[in-house]
Amino acid sequence: AQSVTQPDIHITVSEGASLELRCNYSYGATPYLFWYVQSPGQGLQLLLKYFSGDTLVQGIKGFEAEFKRSQSSFNLRKPSVHWSDAAEYFCAVAPTSGTYKYIFGTGTRLKVLA
Amino acid sequence: GAGVSQSPSNKVTEKGKDVELRCDPISGHTALYWYRQRLGQGLEFLIYFQGNSAPDKSGLPSDRFSAERTGESVSTLTIQRTQQEDSAVYLCASSNRASSSYNEQFFGPGTRLTVL
Repeated sequence: AQSVTQPDIHITVSEGASLELRCNYSYGATPYLFWYVQSPGQGLQLLLKYFSGDTLVQGIKGFEAEFKRSQSSFNLRKPSVHWSDAAEYFCAVAPTSGTYKYIFGTGTRLKVLA
Repeated sequence: GAGVSQSPSNKVTEKGKDVELRCDPISGHTALYWYRQRLGQGLEFLIYFQGNSAPDKSGLPSDRFSAERTGESVSTLTIQRTQQEDSAVYLCASSNRASSSYNEQFFGPGTRLTVL
């Protein structure tokens, strides 16, 4: 079955520390891969996406993600976290044909300590 | 409009009542999607519209759920005879089109539905 796993429900980091949020997927073929962020009371905002090519993808707000085919992973990273990064982060996949049917992970809630 | 809007932002209803949730997509976006986000879970796909037709309703959890779209614009998600398990945040998204090529989905802020 197609699925996305985000093993960390909650993560707490100190401001200025580095961050890595994990995402693993189970899919028949390499899908399109996405990371979204959801701040309280807000809709989901796209941070970055991977379609093909370079496996290290740069996104907005200083985030990057690395696609590792052998591990079926698409982990999100940021070298130095800011207090404003506190939010919920969702990893998602979509088939490369008919891309509307996204499959989302359960999310990781990030808390940032001052 | 500038983004996807949804109304109401919060809705509290009693079990057994019907509710209507509204989504206004970004102007010109032909594709529209509804998702459900239960507490502690990821987003579940409910239904997808291309124009005013819904080629994929596979995610609707029961026949109590229905949705329509008019004028290739506003969409309404209706839940009849609400149950407590319907309590969730209902998110709407829109995109330029849904096809074999990627088109980013832009999400609204959601409607938080609480069924007492």
